Amino acid sequence: EAEVAQSPRYKITEKSQAVAFWCDPISGHATLYWYRQILGQGPELLVQFQDESVVDDSQLPKDRFSAERLKGVDSTLKIQPAELGDSAMYLCASSLGGPGQGGETQYFGPGTRLLVL
Amino acid sequence: AQSVTQLGSHVSVSEGALVLLRCNYSSSVPPYLFWYVQYPNQGLQLLLKYTTGATLVKGINGFEAEFKKSETSFHLTKPSAHMSDAAEYFCAVTKGSASKIIFGSGTRLSIRP
Repeated sequence: EAEVAQSPRYKITEKSQAVAFWCDPISGHATLYWYRQILGQGPELLVQFQDESVVDDSQLPKDRFSAERLKGVDSTLKIQPAELGDSAMYLCASSLGGPGQGGETQYFGPGTRLLVL
Repeated sequence: AQSVTQLGSHVSVSEGALVLLRCNYSSSVPPYLFWYVQYPNQGLQLLLKYTTGATLVKGINGFEAEFKKSETSFHLTKPSAHMSDAAEYFCAVTKGSASKIIFGSGTRLSIRP
């Protein structure tokens, strides 16, 4: 069964350093999502891509976070510089269709747990 | 704006007992509703979803949920809990044709032997 791949699974960094997370969605999935999940809370959408275009990045802290999906396949989420409050699980998900496909299932990767010291 | 409220951050039941996890939503348009499960240090897995049609939805692992528009609820149930059901459960909603999902804060389910 196809799965969403993420790496690394765990990352420890010091504040002010740069970190990057990678996601490879299920083959053929046009829509890719990055979520942040703080311990004890539900996931919160950071950015949504439709193919290589950003559909929604309203909750992305753009002063330090960036995301790209250059060829419309895999994606990278970067934080520079990292802050203590960025410690969280970063989840990637993908779905088959695009905007207007409400109700479509999102498939999640295993996540990257980030600890900022 | 749409939102999701999960009543009870932690629910504990005995093995073999009924599981009931509560979820209420607010949405100005007919919603799509989801339940996801998350095991420790893993991603989320879809249990079931309601889009249209039958209001009683059956999912994986023996779970089911009923969409009640009059009560704006989508509670998750399972007749008999297993130890393997111990996990975090998230209710979620999307609004109309939008694909953005809004998640609740989660309910941690513990199973007592």
